Order: sequence, then C-alpha cells, then structure tokens
Amino acid sequence: EDKVVQSPLSLVVHEGDTVTLNCSYEVTNFRSLLWYKQEKKAPTFLFMLTSSGIEKKSGRLSSILDKKELFSILNITATQTGDSAVYLCAYITGTASKLTFGTGTRLQVTL
Amino acid sequence: NAGVTQTPKFQVLKTGQSMTLQCAQDMNHEYMSWYRQDPGMGLRLIHYSVGAGITDQGEVPNGYNVSRSTTEDFPLRLLSAAPSQTSVYFCASSKPSSGEQFFGPGTRLTVL
Repeated sequence: EDKVVQSPLSLVVHEGDTVTLNCSYEVTNFRSLLWYKQEKKAPTFLFMLTSSGIEKKSGRLSSILDKKELFSILNITATQTGDSAVYLCAYITGTASKLTFGTGTRLQVTL
Repeated sequence: NAGVTQTPKFQVLKTGQSMTLQCAQDMNHEYMSWYRQDPGMGLRLIHYSVGAGITDQGEVPNGYNVSRSTTEDFPLRLLSAAPSQTSVYFCASSKPSSGEQFFGPGTRLTVL
C-alpha cells in the first residue's frame, strides 16, 4: 500500500534558526513529490520535485528529492514568525494529477 | 481571474439534510478535485475529475456525489449529512498532469 510519512509531527524553533522537515514515501509508480504550506486557510504550492538530486530553491526555502532512498527534505533558513504553518508533502503517481497528502509538520517560529 | 472559488464559506446542517458545496474555477483547468481536512488527518481526497463528464472516487467517497457537466464547475453533494462529515472541505484544480494544484478558500461544514 502506498504511503507517505512526514516527520517531525511538530516543532518549535526560535526566529533565525534553520529547520529541516522530512517526507519519506513508499509509492509504486511514483511520479513527483510536492510541498505545500498551509496557514489558517488553503494550502499554497511551494515546490514540485520529479528528478533526484536537483535542489529547488525559493528565497529561504529549498527542497531536494532522493529517489533512491525515497525521501525529500524541505529546508528553511533564517526562519521568521511568518514561516509558522503546517507544511504538507504529497505525491503523484502515474499520469493523473491526483495528489495524496501526508499529515503534515506543524512548525511554530517564536521570537 | 478569480482562481478557484467555493461557496458557502460556512454551513451548519442537521443530520439527514442534504446540500451542495459549490466549486468553480476560471483557469480552464481540466483536473478538479475535492478534499476534506480533519484535525490530525491531513487532506483526504473525496472525488476527482479529469475533465467534463468524467469523475472518479478518491480515498473517502462514501456519502458524497459529484458531477462535472462543465470544465468550470465541480459541485460536491452531501446526500444525507452525518456528524462524521463535519470537516473543512477544499476544492482544487490543475492543468492535466501538473502537480501544482490551486486550492479554493475552503468551506467549513458542521453537521449537528
């Protein structure tokens, strides 16, 4: 059975810290892995990763996929209180656009 | 360009009542989907559609119906509401074979 597991479930850091969020998966016919950020509303897209070893970067956020070890990480450097959110990873299989989400990591950044 | 819109934003139902959650997108996306989000459960796929006239079940389809008569609209019908359907419902859309799904603002549904 396909599954995706995120860790940790939650963490609290101080502003300025660097955090690493993990997403491991066991998926047949894997196509891509995606990261979303969810504050108190709808999820917003961060990254889509299809190829192994290629880092995607946007400002202080970056992500990489390891298709051999079946995991992805999301790094946030110099965290700010505005980074407080639930971070969701999801996978796509086959040719459809159907996403299956993990349960998320809740990040709280304190002053 | 409004993106993905959902109505209503909030709804309270009594057990046994039926209702339709509306979802519309103006991006000409072929793929549309409905998710529910419960505390600690993440987003779970209810139904999805890869184009007008084509729908399929997701992970948790029981108690819900969908139809897709146009590219723009993808309504979700609750046939006979139950307290277990209390949740936040999100509609999303994307281009074919694209992972970047655009989400609507959500509908918070309470079933008493």
